[in-house]
Amino acid sequence: KNEVEQSPQNLTAQEGEFITINCSYSVGISALHWLQQHPGGGIVSLFMLSSGKKKHGRLIATINIQEKHSSLHITASHPRDSAVYICAVGTGNQFYFGTGTSLTVIP
Amino acid sequence: NAGVTQTPKFRVLKTGQSMTLLCAQDMNHEYMYWYRQDPGMGLRLIHYSVGEGTTAKGEVPDGYNVSRLKKQNFLLGLESAAPSQTSVYFCASYRASTDTQYFGPGTRLTVL
Repeated sequence: KNEVEQSPQNLTAQEGEFITINCSYSVGISALHWLQQHPGGGIVSLFMLSSGKKKHGRLIATINIQEKHSSLHITASHPRDSAVYICAVGTGNQFYFGTGTSLTVIP
Repeated sequence: NAGVTQTPKFRVLKTGQSMTLLCAQDMNHEYMYWYRQDPGMGLRLIHYSVGEGTTAKGEVPDGYNVSRLKKQNFLLGLESAAPSQTSVYFCASYRASTDTQYFGPGTRLTVL
């Protein structure tokens, strides 16, 4: 069983395209996180959401608590956005992670 | 601030050998976590700690032990390594005030 499901698994886009990555979860959560993992392996936290919407530069994250769904949008995508994007949910002391969406942005 | 550091970065073991992975954080975080990342699977929690001297099992604890003798350090031990423990191991610490995890750079372990 997977508490967190992401789609798509892989995504290739042309530079400048608008990108959407989706995340659905099946457990009660305190917060949802979007993480970015670069080819070198390092993982950084992009957003923490408990409701509504957050924007950071070209990245926008939304969450619908009732539908247990979140989306990560990237506007005007750039090759440097190429990475694996991971959705994670926090439940008390623990976190559950999706398998990630591998994004490649082609110049 | 160094953030979260992990030692070593790479290691190759033979089946049955033992080793300890060290995670250190300088942010005074109470919570620390050990995860493993395998191809096609999300990060999975091995063990975690909510404070110095306390540890708890996560989703995949079998074959691993941990200790948190000092707040800044979280050690992950493999007593008798098995090929199934070949993975990339990530440590993370957690800041409750911002609900944010900070990840170490990872340790790539191969068990032959």
